[in-house]
Amino acid sequence: GENVEQHPSTLSVQEGDSAVIKCTYSDSASNYFPWYKQELGKRPQLIIDIRSNVGEKKDQRIAVTLNKTAKHFSLHITETQPEDSAVYFCAASYGANAGKSTFGDGTTLTVKP
Amino acid sequence: EAGVAQSPRYKIIEKRQSVAFWCNPISGHATLYWYQQILGQGPKLLIQFQNNGVVDDSQLPKDRFSAERLKGVDSTLKIQPAKLEDSAVYLCASSFLAGGGETQYFGPGTRLLVL
Repeated sequence: GENVEQHPSTLSVQEGDSAVIKCTYSDSASNYFPWYKQELGKRPQLIIDIRSNVGEKKDQRIAVTLNKTAKHFSLHITETQPEDSAVYFCAASYGANAGKSTFGDGTTLTVKP
Repeated sequence: EAGVAQSPRYKIIEKRQSVAFWCNPISGHATLYWYQQILGQGPKLLIQFQNNGVVDDSQLPKDRFSAERLKGVDSTLKIQPAKLEDSAVYLCASSFLAGGGETQYFGPGTRLLVL
């Protein structure tokens, strides 16, 4: 089955700096890669996603890049703000199994004011 | 649009007891997922329904866990008997299309503590 590894497990940055979180996946059939943000005690919420036919996607301060050859994808947050502090999860899934998602173990991001 | 609803929000039981969780997905969503999220880890898929049929239950401990989605809408997840290692947050999610790769919307979760 699919295996997703996420790094780093914790990340601390100063407000205004950039943050980068990386994930690798094992199954070359995976074609959908969402990123979720989970604040303490709350539900995971989708912040951005990318499909395998696209190399990069951007939404304001958030961007995701995908390298299918190397089987890794990354989340980039620019101009970080204290409210970006949360746990971020990456996931990989493929349509042949009706969207079964395998999640990474999460990155705890702390943005220091 | 109303979100995914789950109840109860919290549950404390003793080991060997039984417990049931309920989920009401977003109206019209064909696919429903149950995840187990242990503290410090990512959500792990337990079972996935498409309408009222099971798509994947390969990671469901079937000797103690069961789930159903009668009529293809609400779903219940049951643990009987519970073990200490079942302490976790149980998340329900739903997605619109029956095909793969669509956005999953999560419920608030049920936090289970087994003593």
